[in-house]
Amino acid sequence: KQEVTQIPAALSVPEGENLVLNCSFTDSAIYNLQWFRQDPGKGLTSLLLIQSSQREQTSGRLNASLDKSSGRSTLYIAASQPGDSATYLCAAPNSGGSNYKLTFGKGTLLTVNP
Amino acid sequence: GAVVSQHPSWVICKSGTSVKIECRSLDFQATTMFWYRQFPKQSLMLMATSNEGSKATYEQGVEKDKFLINHASLTLSTLTVTSAHPEDSSFYICSAGTGGVSSYNEQFFGPGTRLTVL
Repeated sequence: KQEVTQIPAALSVPEGENLVLNCSFTDSAIYNLQWFRQDPGKGLTSLLLIQSSQREQTSGRLNASLDKSSGRSTLYIAASQPGDSATYLCAAPNSGGSNYKLTFGKGTLLTVNP
Repeated sequence: GAVVSQHPSWVICKSGTSVKIECRSLDFQATTMFWYRQFPKQSLMLMATSNEGSKATYEQGVEKDKFLINHASLTLSTLTVTSAHPEDSSFYICSAGTGGVSSYNEQFFGPGTRLTVL
């Protein structure tokens, strides 16, 4: 059974700082890994999806990396802004092969202070 | 990008009543839809997987007679919480995939429905 862990649980940084959020998963036989953003009381916004054949994906100030062998992914946010404040979730497909159920980490609550 | 909607966005009901939540894929056909539940300050927990035209597959511990799922078309899945109780109060989120359960395409998430049972 896939288990996903995110560290840290919460992070508070001043505006402009670069930061890294960590995600680890127990079953490395994944086909992809997704990073999401969730604002309070809202649904999920997909940020980046990394296919298993890829090592990283970039979108604007966001860069996500994937190391399947070590069961780790990181989300790098450059030049953080107060608008980046949200909970960031990573999710990996469950082990078991033929299905596509996602297991979510508990998230990292990011606060960027102006 | 693909858009998934949910209706209603929030609902308050009395204990013992039933509540129906709709999940629609607006600009694509979703062969598979997923229903998640999220309690305050917790992560999303998968409740069930539904495929168009067939019965839903429920996760362990989820009562299928309490959480009725119908995936009648390629663009609509519904979740009905029957005889709701205060402990069913939660944030319910659906997602839709384009490729079926054996595909590894991206899932697209709805905005969620906040259910409060008094």
